Amino acid sequence: LAKTTQPISMDSYEGQEVNITCSHNNIATNDYITWYQQFPSQGPRFIIQGYKTKVTNEVASLFIPADRKSSTLSLPRVSLSDTAVYYCLVGDPLSIGGGADGLTFGKGTHLIIQP
Amino acid sequence: DTAVSQTPKYLVTQMGNDKSIKCEQNLGHDTMYWYKQDSKKFLKIMFSYNNKELIINETVPNRFSPKSPDKAHLNLHINSLELGDSAVYFCASSTSAGAGETQYFGPGTRLLVL
Repeated sequence: LAKTTQPISMDSYEGQEVNITCSHNNIATNDYITWYQQFPSQGPRFIIQGYKTKVTNEVASLFIPADRKSSTLSLPRVSLSDTAVYYCLVGDPLSIGGGADGLTFGKGTHLIIQP
Repeated sequence: DTAVSQTPKYLVTQMGNDKSIKCEQNLGHDTMYWYKQDSKKFLKIMFSYNNKELIINETVPNRFSPKSPDKAHLNLHINSLELGDSAVYFCASSTSAGAGETQYFGPGTRLLVL
C-alpha cells in the first residue's frame, strides 16, 4: 500500500504558482519526503527532498508542517513545460531494503498547465 | 554519457516468448531497481538489488527473473510473456538501498505483448 495520498490531477496557468499537497499520515520518525517529476515517455526525475520545515532549490520549494503528516510542493511561476505527473514518496534513507512501501510511487498528480 | 541506460527502448513480441531487458548505470551506485508502469500510469516497484544481492521482491510472478552480474548492471528476464506484461519497465539506481534515497531512472523500455 502506498504511504501517501495526492490529488489525481490539477490545472493551472502559465506564470502562476502551483502548490501540490501530499498526505502521509503514517510517516515514520526517520522518513524523508521526496518528490519526483515524470514527463510523458520518460522516467521519473528527482525534484526535491526534505525532512521538516522548508527546503528550496532552483526548481521548487517543499513545505513540511511540524507534524509532518503532509507536505506541499510549490512550483513558482509555472510554464507549459511543467505539465507532468508529480509523485510524492516517503521513506527512510537509512533503512536498507526498508520495504516496498517507501518505493511505491502510486499514480501521482497530473499537473496540466494552460497558456 | 547517460547515467542510467536501458536496452531495448521498444520491445514488441508474441505471447509465450522469452525476452530480456538490460540496464546499466555509470553512477557508481550500489543499488538498482526495476519498476513497472502500466497503462493506468501506476508505477510500482518490482525488484531491488543492493551490491548484487536481491533485497526486494514484490509479489512478482516467477516468470520474471532479475539478474545482477555486477553492481553496474541489472537485467530483467521474462519467460512465457503474457498480454498483461505489456507496460513500460523502468530501471533505476541509488547510492544505497535506503527507501528514501534519491533514485535515478532510465528512459524506460516499452514492452508490447501481442
